[in-house]
Amino acid sequence: DAGVTQSPTHLIKTRGQHVTLRCSPISGHKSVSWYQQVLGQGPQFIFQYYEKEERGRGNFPDRFSARQFPNYSSELNVNALLLGDSALYLCASSLEGSPLHFGNGTRLTVT
Amino acid sequence: AQSVTQLDSQVPVFEEAPVELRCNYSSSVSVYLFWYVQYPNQGLQLLLKYLSGSTLVKSINGFEAEFNKSQTSFHLRKPSVHISDTAEYFCAVSPGNYGQNFVFGPGTRLSVLP
Repeated sequence: DAGVTQSPTHLIKTRGQHVTLRCSPISGHKSVSWYQQVLGQGPQFIFQYYEKEERGRGNFPDRFSARQFPNYSSELNVNALLLGDSALYLCASSLEGSPLHFGNGTRLTVT
Repeated sequence: AQSVTQLDSQVPVFEEAPVELRCNYSSSVSVYLFWYVQYPNQGLQLLLKYLSGSTLVKSINGFEAEFNKSQTSFHLRKPSVHISDTAEYFCAVSPGNYGQNFVFGPGTRLSVLP
């Protein structure tokens, strides 16, 4: 079975630009969560979506948004990029009542 | 709100030696506890979880962790490490309603030396 897949794997953007990151969950998983992992730190919770509805949101500015599609895939959007947005963005999927299964992440570099 | 502390940012240890990676947490509600491992350029992989029942949980590759409610700890141990165990280890907690808002510690880098 395919695991959580994320695209692209790497991305370089300039300050002020917009970025869209994509995630496909494990087949059958209806919950998708996004985490930001800054170099040298643990992942920080950004969003959780379940059945296309936002279930939780971390302490991130409104520049960050996400959505989940009918096939349970998800997009994370970040507007007006800042240098501090440079990080590994991790997507995780899960069944209700089961642990998170992570993808390999998208490495975003903002210059 | 929950928080997780991993006091050791780096732990070097020789191959075949025992190791303990410490994790302490704080929470006003009951939580589930996890250890995840991250190899270079990869995502996180679940190593262990504690949900309820026996306070000692074990993984298939020789790691074990013990939940201590009075000390709010969930330390990870392995009696004999291998070179392949070199990785970043993250302790995490989640409120009792699964899948929501996992809180991760800052991580401990385990370096196994030959």
